Amino acid sequence: ILNVEQSPQSLHVQEGDSTNFTCSFPSSNFYALHWYRWETAKSPEALFVMTLNGDEKKKGRISATLNTKEGYSYLYIKGSQPEDSATYLCALNSGGGADGLTFGKGTHLIIQP
Amino acid sequence: KAGVTQTPRYLIKTRGQQVTLSCSPISGHRSVSWYQQTPGQGLQFLFEYFSETQRNKGNFPGRFSGRQFSNSRSEMNVSTLELGDSALYLCASSLVLSGVYQETQYFGPGTRLLVL
Repeated sequence: ILNVEQSPQSLHVQEGDSTNFTCSFPSSNFYALHWYRWETAKSPEALFVMTLNGDEKKKGRISATLNTKEGYSYLYIKGSQPEDSATYLCALNSGGGADGLTFGKGTHLIIQP
Repeated sequence: KAGVTQTPRYLIKTRGQQVTLSCSPISGHRSVSWYQQTPGQGLQFLFEYFSETQRNKGNFPGRFSGRQFSNSRSEMNVSTLELGDSALYLCASSLVLSGVYQETQYFGPGTRLLVL
């Protein structure tokens, strides 16, 4: 059974501050790493799919990095805004093809005005 | 393009009953995956369907089954419901391209099932 860990579980950040959180996964079982943002009462929204060691992706104020050799990915949010409040999920695709994603339990981010 | 839709959004059943949930993928997407989320647990993979065939299955009992139709719509069935089956059930669709294993899965809003 694969173990995808996310830390911290929850995070309170002041509006305007930058923040980051971590996703750890077994480096021996890696095909792709996905990041999702999940706002309450909405569908999980895809942010990034990362496949290459050292990869860095950016979408507006949000960016992510990937280290497949040591088995971790960081998600960064620059200048947090109230609309960034959500649960951020990472998910590992370990087998490619038809394999389902193995999700972490998420980091619950609350931006305080 | 319309997103992934799921029906019903909410459902209340009693123990021992069965339930069928429906998922309509994004137009053109041929893969549909199902996930379960229970309190305190992350999303857990149930199964994935492509071209009307189940290609992969997670670690769930045989009471959980599914199928996919020729138009890629999928249904998930849970028989002999247990209290522990109370959960949010999400489906996700993806555009399957040959050899592309990192394709994004697009999620629906989920069906919240309560078993009494």
